[in-house]
Amino acid sequence: QQQVKQSPQSLIVQKGGISIINCAYENTAFDYFPWYQQFPGKGPALLIAIRPDVSEKKEGRFTISFNKSAKQFSLHIMDSQPGDSATYFCAASKGSSYKLIFGSGTRLLVRP
Amino acid sequence: GAGVSQSPSNKVTEKGKDVELRCDPISGHTALYWYRQSLGQGLEFLIYFQGNSAPDKSGLPSDRFSAERTGGSVSTLTIQRTQQEDSAVYLCASSTRGQNYGYTFGSGTRLTVV
Repeated sequence: QQQVKQSPQSLIVQKGGISIINCAYENTAFDYFPWYQQFPGKGPALLIAIRPDVSEKKEGRFTISFNKSAKQFSLHIMDSQPGDSATYFCAASKGSSYKLIFGSGTRLLVRP
Repeated sequence: GAGVSQSPSNKVTEKGKDVELRCDPISGHTALYWYRQSLGQGLEFLIYFQGNSAPDKSGLPSDRFSAERTGGSVSTLTIQRTQQEDSAVYLCASSTRGQNYGYTFGSGTRLTVV
């Protein structure tokens, strides 16, 4: 059972453009939503995370938008750069759980 | 150490052979996790260690998979009688305690079963 659905599977954006990746979840008990960035040959690294008490969180060029009623959240990368080219995973977790439920990933390519 | 170290980085094995994958977590991290990343798929939880105990083994796909952790540090994931569907990247992560934030992942072991 896939509890976190991520789209698109791949994304190509021109340098300076906006990259948008979407995730939808099913379990209303989830209350922690991180995004991970993974470069080839490396493990995923935490990029930014949000809890449902806010609808948006911004860190530099990266913004998470959260829609609790729709059970959806998205990652926006403003002014996308070639160095942002990586695979991005959304994830969800609940309460004090140690377990993360990951989406299937989005491979982002930012063209110069 | 400075980060989570996994070895080997790549492993090619013949179908039916046993393999051992090693994870050396960040010093002082009591929680350790194994995840599996199959081609085109997200990360799939396998097992969680708190100290040397594994309170959650629910993600291990079959009894061919086992894991142990010794000295509250190094962990070994063992796959017996490997099958082609075991081919994946096996990722280890650690955190200061069992929690859903503060994970540090290693670079993974890419396992190919031929």
